[in-house]
Amino acid sequence: GESVGLHLPTLSVQEGDNSIINCAYSNSASDYFIWYKQESGKGPQFIIDIRSNMDKRQGQRVTVLLNKTVKHLSLQIAATQPGDSAVYFCAENSGGSNYKLTFGKGTLLTVNP
Amino acid sequence: NAGVTQTPKFQVLKTGQSMTLQCAQDMNHEYMSWYRQDPGMGLRLIHYSVGAGITDQGEVPNGYNVSRSTTEDFPLRLLSAAPSQTSVYFCASISSANYGYTFGSGTRLTVV
Repeated sequence: GESVGLHLPTLSVQEGDNSIINCAYSNSASDYFIWYKQESGKGPQFIIDIRSNMDKRQGQRVTVLLNKTVKHLSLQIAATQPGDSAVYFCAENSGGSNYKLTFGKGTLLTVNP
Repeated sequence: NAGVTQTPKFQVLKTGQSMTLQCAQDMNHEYMSWYRQDPGMGLRLIHYSVGAGITDQGEVPNGYNVSRSTTEDFPLRLLSAAPSQTSVYFCASISSANYGYTFGSGTRLTVV
């Protein structure tokens, strides 16, 4: 999962396995959370979001889980593919607005064929 | 739609030089922001704008200026470049009706 250290957390999985990427967010007042995917040399790309009145949301092959009690967010990727290899960031609207996001440090996901 | 377009993609500056990073979006989004990305630091908010003529500071605004004269454009100006401003800069926009920023492809800036 993500941390405040300088080293990027990494997760290595085999193709076809499920991946779980974790994020601890900082502000208990945050009510909107987003997961982004960033491939090498590209800008972050929106994957899925969730509001604080939900604890689970599903997309295509991805599921986001939110545990407000412990301020924890996770991204589950089903049947991980080599194209899923990237850095994944969580973000929260700790400023109380959807246009001021605070990003986590990121997790590097490597998918081995 | 082109989305969010940033220019240039790469730039090398000498300490003390000034320059403007360009950002344009064609989605009629009200909100635009500039982030910088450094290794191990994630993305940090520099400045943001909630509409034409309105800008505000983010987490790391020192050494940067912005203006928003039109909805489409949100340039970032480095007043006097310093090596500490070596980074990758991302512009992003979002509609008030939607959620989740659309990011540009970034400008990789090196200050020597």
